[in-house]
Amino acid sequence: KNQVEQSPQSLIILEGKNCTLQCNYTVSPFSNLRWYKQDTGRGPVSLTIMTFSENTKSNGRYTATLDADTKQSSLHITASQLSDSASYICVVSHMDSNYQLIWGAGTKLIIKP
Amino acid sequence: DAGITQSPRHKVTETGTPVTLRCHQTENHRYMYWYRQDPGHGLRLIHYSYGVKDTDKGEVSDGYSVSRSKTEDFLLTLESATSSQTSVYFCAIKAGVDSPLHFGNGTRLTVT
Repeated sequence: KNQVEQSPQSLIILEGKNCTLQCNYTVSPFSNLRWYKQDTGRGPVSLTIMTFSENTKSNGRYTATLDADTKQSSLHITASQLSDSASYICVVSHMDSNYQLIWGAGTKLIIKP
Repeated sequence: DAGITQSPRHKVTETGTPVTLRCHQTENHRYMYWYRQDPGHGLRLIHYSYGVKDTDKGEVSDGYSVSRSKTEDFLLTLESATSSQTSVYFCAIKAGVDSPLHFGNGTRLTVT
């Protein structure tokens, strides 16, 4: 069964600290993996996309990694800011169907001052 | 928000009544989607459209119907609302197959 699991479910850290969010998937065949950020009361916004051949990609203070062999991805946030408080959602695209996206339940991140 | 507007933003309705949610885009994107988001679940696809009058079912389509008579509008109808349809509904648009989804800010629907 195609699934995406994220951990932890929630995380609280102090402003300025780093954190890493995990995403494990069983989707096969794999097309790509995206990380979305969802602020409270808003729709998700794409942060980055990882394709099969990419290991690491950065977008400002966000760095995503992908290990296609172990089917794991991580999102590392450096020097966290209060505005990073949000849910972070991992989404995997199934290669056989451009419309089939498998969504994780998200990690709720709270940054405390 | 990528030129996508959902209406209404909030709605409370009674069990058994029909409800229509509207998604309007100004981006002229081909693909449009309706998702629902519930605590503890990932976003779940209800219906999607790949062009005017071209729609298809997602994984949780029972009790929902859609229509797309113009590129810019995608309507979601709950034919007879039930309490299990209490949720936050998101519309999303996409320019092309490999493009990211751009979401509206959601409609919070409560069925009493």
